[in-house]
Amino acid sequence: DADVTQTPRNRITKTGKRIMLECSQTKGHDRMYWYRQDPGLGLRLIYYSFDVKDINKGEISDGYSVSRQAQAKFSLSLESAIPNQTALYFCATSDLILGEQFFGPGTRLTVL
Amino acid sequence: GEDVEQSLFLSVREGDSSVINCTYTDSSSTYLYWYKQEPGAGLQLLTYIFSNMDMKQDQRLTVLLNKKDKHLSLRIADTQTGDSAIYFCAESGATNKLIFGTGTLLAVQP
Repeated sequence: DADVTQTPRNRITKTGKRIMLECSQTKGHDRMYWYRQDPGLGLRLIYYSFDVKDINKGEISDGYSVSRQAQAKFSLSLESAIPNQTALYFCATSDLILGEQFFGPGTRLTVL
Repeated sequence: GEDVEQSLFLSVREGDSSVINCTYTDSSSTYLYWYKQEPGAGLQLLTYIFSNMDMKQDQRLTVLLNKKDKHLSLRIADTQTGDSAIYFCAESGATNKLIFGTGTLLAVQP
């Protein structure tokens, strides 16, 4: 079984709709992250959480919110989706020592 | 601020060596990483180097680190078609977050 799972894997929605992307992990890591990937721009950090009571904005948090429901779950919400939020979204977790990040398979979101 | 740069594309022939380059700005990074992203998949750690090392070799992979120039490279020997992917370098920034480069698409021609 995958250590980091994301649901849904693909989603097409319309402008103005509220969308939630979910991430679960079985690695027992405290640290979790949400990134978006756009061609030619690499990965950009949206939000991150170092433990259940900790939420931090990344470099592109506008238009997004997150919830850390438990150590194993970190969800990303788009309150009112817009077309330039069309992207591939990745969740990741990391350990404290090496800092290696483990990525989920990604969610492809299209906003029409 | 922290920034990591890579060239966007590299094309090589099967059997040749590939060298993917990366420059970074944060001299306080403890670790530097190379991740591989295959089509339709998430990123997977390929290798990493501790900042006090100059070189690390792992089978076909060689990582070179020039701290003075803040330059990191990944050499893949005997490149195979299965090596075709996007390669990201990343540094561990001052706030314990990873800063990723833009990614280099490696295309291996048979």
